[in-house]
Amino acid sequence: DIQMTQSPSSLSASVGDRVTITCRASQGIRNDLGWYQQKPGKAPKRLIYAASSLQSGVPSRFSGSGSGTEFTLTISSLQPEDFATYYCLQHNSYPHTFGGGTKVEIK
Amino acid sequence: EVQLVESGGGLVKPGGSLRLSCAASGFTFSSYSMNWVRQAPGKGLEWVSSISSSSSYIYYADSVKGRFTISRDNAKNSLYLQMNSLRAEDTAVYYCAGEPAAMVDYWGQGTLVTVSS
Repeated sequence: DIQMTQSPSSLSASVGDRVTITCRASQGIRNDLGWYQQKPGKAPKRLIYAASSLQSGVPSRFSGSGSGTEFTLTISSLQPEDFATYYCLQHNSYPHTFGGGTKVEIK
Repeated sequence: EVQLVESGGGLVKPGGSLRLSCAASGFTFSSYSMNWVRQAPGKGLEWVSSISSSSSYIYYADSVKGRFTISRDNAKNSLYLQMNSLRAEDTAVYYCAGEPAAMVDYWGQGTLVTVSS
């Protein structure tokens, strides 16, 4: 099974900060990775698919990069509505696996 | 408008069974593989099971293999999860979700399953 190691598990940041979240796969997954945002009591919402493609309707301050085993989600300028938990998901092989999540909190 | 609406959650005793349903609308359900994803209270997301568009390919997480059965009825635009031999650790919100490889992103609102005596 492919393990997804996501870091950090939590971070505190201020509005306007640049934020970077990383996921590392235990083996190569090409670009078969998505990034999801989840707010309390809500279903996850995908921000990025195919590692670097912006989901329709998602603000351009979100970007993804990487391929193979190292992936990054960047929020260029954190906005109040971005405080949430973020997850990566690999769908290269079964079982699909999520990263452990990164909770982005207000500093 | 795309909609995925789960139903069938509730309180069940350990060892019991429950069948979840997911009603899809607003997209060509029969063209997409579908998934169940769960989230235990206060925990992260866990992929549970996938079924291909024609039901030819089915996959399960090790944690549910042999106890859960995924199925679909394309004529009814519906996805199902039959859950048997339920355990306390199966307590979670269960989400119906679309194909992660697809450009479109579909999720239901979730249905809570509580396994407790």
